[in-house]
Amino acid sequence: EVQLVDSGGGLVQPGGSLRLSCAASGFTFSDHYMDWVRQAPGKGLEWVGRTRNKANSYTTEYAASVKGRFTISRDDSKSSLYLQMNSLKTEDTAVYYCARVGIFTGYPAEDDAFDIWGQGTMVTVSS
Amino acid sequence: SYEVTQPPSVSVSPGQTASITCSGDKLGDRFACWYQQKPGQSPVLVIYQDTKRPSGIPERFSASNSGNTATLTISGTQAMDEADYYCQTWDNRQSKVVFGGGTKLTVL
Repeated sequence: EVQLVDSGGGLVQPGGSLRLSCAASGFTFSDHYMDWVRQAPGKGLEWVGRTRNKANSYTTEYAASVKGRFTISRDDSKSSLYLQMNSLKTEDTAVYYCARVGIFTGYPAEDDAFDIWGQGTMVTVSS
Repeated sequence: SYEVTQPPSVSVSPGQTASITCSGDKLGDRFACWYQQKPGQSPVLVIYQDTKRPSGIPERFSASNSGNTATLTISGTQAMDEADYYCQTWDNRQSKVVFGGGTKLTVL
């Protein structure tokens, strides 16, 4: 079964750090671009960032709201995606989802959709 | 930066056709996709590359994308279709994913 399992969420104080993980199974993880998307309570979806695959040098992109504070990484040998979150703010409180960028035309494309999502992990930033 | 806009809410009677729009400058020049999200659940892809349905998505879900507007259409809407729907595209200039604000579909 193709699956993404998010973990690592919890309660953290403002200014603190947290590392989220996403374990992939059932597909060739190394082929895909992988993203993080978050959703604040009662709000819409907000893109956090992307890591591309090895063929594209594992380059990353970030939303302006997290750039310089969050770092996305991956370990293809473990089929795992990570989100290191530093200098956390109360406005970072959200459910964080990892999401797979689908390969619909035989190769990864920036503008393709997220075809698989994790179940999400809740991050609460509060004193 | 590039933005896309959705109506906050749409209502439809069971069995009727629901249309949800997503508007952005020359949106038709780029791919749009749509997600369905029910309360407490992760989003589910219902349309990709403007008009294509992933396997397992009912045929009553269809979509188009032209000019400045992408449209998700649900024909013969059922109670189970009540959910939030999000459009999404890619901003090539800033290399970032863009989501619409979401539309709450009510079936009443």
